[in-house]
Amino acid sequence: AQRVTQPEKLLSVFKGAPVELKCNYSYSGSPELFWYVQYSRQRLQLLLRHISRESIKGFTADLNKGETSFHLKKPFAQEEDSAMYYCALSGFGNEKLTFGTGTRLTIIP
Amino acid sequence: DVKVTQSSRYLVKRTGEKVFLECVQDMDHENMFWYRQDPGLGLRLIYFSYDVKMKEKGDIPEGYSVSREKKERFSLILESASTNQTSMYLCASSFVGGKYGYTFGSGTRLTVV
Repeated sequence: AQRVTQPEKLLSVFKGAPVELKCNYSYSGSPELFWYVQYSRQRLQLLLRHISRESIKGFTADLNKGETSFHLKKPFAQEEDSAMYYCALSGFGNEKLTFGTGTRLTIIP
Repeated sequence: DVKVTQSSRYLVKRTGEKVFLECVQDMDHENMFWYRQDPGLGLRLIYFSYDVKMKEKGDIPEGYSVSREKKERFSLILESASTNQTSMYLCASSFVGGKYGYTFGSGTRLTVV
């Protein structure tokens, strides 16, 4: 079975401070990890994928297989980063995405 | 450039009614999915389809069924709506393999009274 854990339901960070949203997963095979974001009154959208090793809107995430983690990081928070963030996992060859329970990030001006 | 369209943004239905939620995508994606989104529970997969007329149960299929007669359209059916099915319903689609991620619709907020 595949499982995603986001331990923080709410996270508040001051503008300009570093941000880290935690994500841990459980999967016996080789996972594919994603971060999705939902801004207020907008649809859920893909933020980044671990396989592409990209940085989107200043966010990065590194897959740590030893710690089974895929934490999302940004060095300097901006007010427009306030949103709901979901970590998600799919197994190799598995079409289904399993989502975590989400973290609501609030950036304090 | 809306790519995944859900027919209704808000719906209010009575207990016991049969409810249809429609989703259409214009990206020629093979896979389509229905999730429900509840506070504190995240997104939970109800059903998905990887081809026309093909479907597989997700994690919470009880009380739901689906229909996919055309590649671009995926319908979620609540056979007899109950109050515990009050939720936000999200449709999504993806290419085979899913590695490029899902594209989501804007959601249908269903209230069952």
